[in-house]
Amino acid sequence: GQQLNQSPQSMFIQEGEDVSMNCTSSSIFNTWLWYKQDPGEGPVLLIALYKAGELTSNGRLTAQFGITRKDSFLNISASIPSDVGIYFCAGQRDWGGADGLTFGKGTHLIIQP
Amino acid sequence: GAVVSQHPSWVICKSGTSVKIECRSLDFQATTMFWYRQFPKQSLMLMATSNEGSKATYEQGVEKDKFLINHASLTLSTLTVTSAHPEDSSFYICSAPIEAGGLNTDTQYFGPGTRLTVL
Repeated sequence: GQQLNQSPQSMFIQEGEDVSMNCTSSSIFNTWLWYKQDPGEGPVLLIALYKAGELTSNGRLTAQFGITRKDSFLNISASIPSDVGIYFCAGQRDWGGADGLTFGKGTHLIIQP
Repeated sequence: GAVVSQHPSWVICKSGTSVKIECRSLDFQATTMFWYRQFPKQSLMLMATSNEGSKATYEQGVEKDKFLINHASLTLSTLTVTSAHPEDSSFYICSAPIEAGGLNTDTQYFGPGTRLTVL
């Protein structure tokens, strides 16, 4: 199946640094979602984006829905140890929740104290 | 917040046996649920869409006779892996979109996943 192009694949950063990751697609998605997954658990929703150009924040997290509807980025400011994990972007084509999600390959965030 | 549960969390079975995994929406109704599979160190791949009261729709390459889906109520979908083999060992995760005003929204919540190991 299709996957979104997510980068970087992994990041090694110092605690307190800012983090940026992004996803691109060759086709349009009408909803972009960002999830965090800890080992052995299901993904947890961080931010949902519904409109092209939308910029949304959730605490130290900020995400934007690209104007072309083919990309999105997630920023994490002032990283802390509990931010460690794998972050996935996900796109949904149809509005109304009738579509399953297409996921990126994930960004593995590792924080050095 | 919305909660989706899965049972069991872990299952180990012998090759050739069938395994049933349950996905429940605990505080909301879900006419649609989705089943994903995740192999180690890989992303989630959509397997099928479970529709309450009608047949599931499967993604290309997913065998519908091997992965039986039943969505018998507004809060429960089951995935049965029939005649499981070692290559079916994976992390199976379900999700459900929140409904508002009788319509699905675009926010999907995931269950905690079920780790299947086939010996």
